[in-house]
Amino acid sequence: SQTIHQWPATLVQPVGSPLSLECTVEGTSNPNLYWYRQAAGRGLQLLFYSVGIGQISSEVPQNLSASRPQDRQFILSSKKLLLSDSGFYLCAWSITDRGDTQYFGPGTRLTVL
Amino acid sequence: GDSVTQMEGPVTLSEEAFLTINCTYTATGYPSLFWYVQYPGEGLQLLLKATKADDKGSNKGFEATYRKETTSFHLEKGSVQVSDSAVYFCALNDDYKLSFGAGTTVTVRA
Repeated sequence: SQTIHQWPATLVQPVGSPLSLECTVEGTSNPNLYWYRQAAGRGLQLLFYSVGIGQISSEVPQNLSASRPQDRQFILSSKKLLLSDSGFYLCAWSITDRGDTQYFGPGTRLTVL
Repeated sequence: GDSVTQMEGPVTLSEEAFLTINCTYTATGYPSLFWYVQYPGEGLQLLLKATKADDKGSNKGFEATYRKETTSFHLEKGSVQVSDSAVYFCALNDDYKLSFGAGTTVTVRA
């Protein structure tokens, strides 16, 4: 069976500091991978998605970036965090050949102070 | 672009009450439709889905029917429990990306 991991689970960072969130998927090959952000009291916003190693599409221009160094690893980064980057970050995966149901990880709660 | 509009909350119910959360969508193609549930402090879990018109998705006593004529996918449960307290998201997928509604917070009181 497939599992998806995210870490850290929670993170408190000062404004202007860098960020690195990691997501890994087990039990499947060549998945589509996604990063979403959920701000307090709001819905989910797609930030990035990837259909393969090194292939990243950005949905919303901002100070975040994503990378996919390995088939089942997806990293969300920032060089300098803003207060507005606070939120709940969710990674998801889907089967490449259908791109249909997405399965979500447990999330990382980021607080920028 | 594709979008989802769902009933605003919060919704507060007593145990064994009937729950309905309305969801309508706008899409140029023929999307798959989903309901996800998020329990406090957790990620999203797939609750049910439907991939074509007139399909009914069901799970854990929840049901939703894909209505193309009314572009709707309303979520229903006949008798809710305290454990159903969560945020419910309607979503559609017409390509590789999910478009979500804003979420509806449901609280069930004993």
